[in-house]
Amino acid sequence: DAGVIQSPRHEVTEMGQEVTLRCKPISGHNSLFWYRQTMMRGLELLIYFNNNVPIDDSGMPEDRFSAKMPNASFSTLKIQPSEPRDSAVYFCASSFDTASYEQYFGPGTRLTVT
Amino acid sequence: GENVEQHPSTLSVQEGDSAVIKCTYSDSASNYFPWYKQELGKRPQLIIDIRSNVGEKKDQRIAVTLNKTAKHFSLHITETQPEDSAVYFCAPLPNFGNEKLTFGTGTRLTIIP
Repeated sequence: DAGVIQSPRHEVTEMGQEVTLRCKPISGHNSLFWYRQTMMRGLELLIYFNNNVPIDDSGMPEDRFSAKMPNASFSTLKIQPSEPRDSAVYFCASSFDTASYEQYFGPGTRLTVT
Repeated sequence: GENVEQHPSTLSVQEGDSAVIKCTYSDSASNYFPWYKQELGKRPQLIIDIRSNVGEKKDQRIAVTLNKTAKHFSLHITETQPEDSAVYFCAPLPNFGNEKLTFGTGTRLTIIP
């Protein structure tokens, strides 16, 4: 298995632009997580899905952020409009909830908003 | 929600010595206790975990110990090597019905050759 796949790996955009981050979880995994990592705030859970349904989105910072999981093999995190304070590394992770609670992280997307 | 604290925030040890990182949590219902390792520029990866019905678990040079009464668990690394240099995160799980891990602030471990 290729592991969790994220795209793009790096994104540089200007303030006010829309940004879409993409994630493909490990095949067979039924939980998917979006995290944001910064030096100041550490590793924060933004939202997680189980069987494509959003379970907990209490970490989503504000209405500018939205996430979808249209099927078991794809999820998106969208920021519209983007702001410089959104600059961070965004990780997607997946797990198989009935087997263990180990979360497998993707390589991350480094987002820079200028 | 779960309050998680890690100590120390940074740790430097001589190669070959042992390192211990402690994690305290607030939710007494927590029952799953993992440790993740993140090397510079890489993704976090699970290195060891323990469930609440076990007090200690070992895997070669690493071990995790749990004190549910005091609400803390610790990561122990023996015979440290340069490749152990990384940031380590604890992430207790409040209950099995919810997969929301709360990551600690991390401990930066540096192994001095």
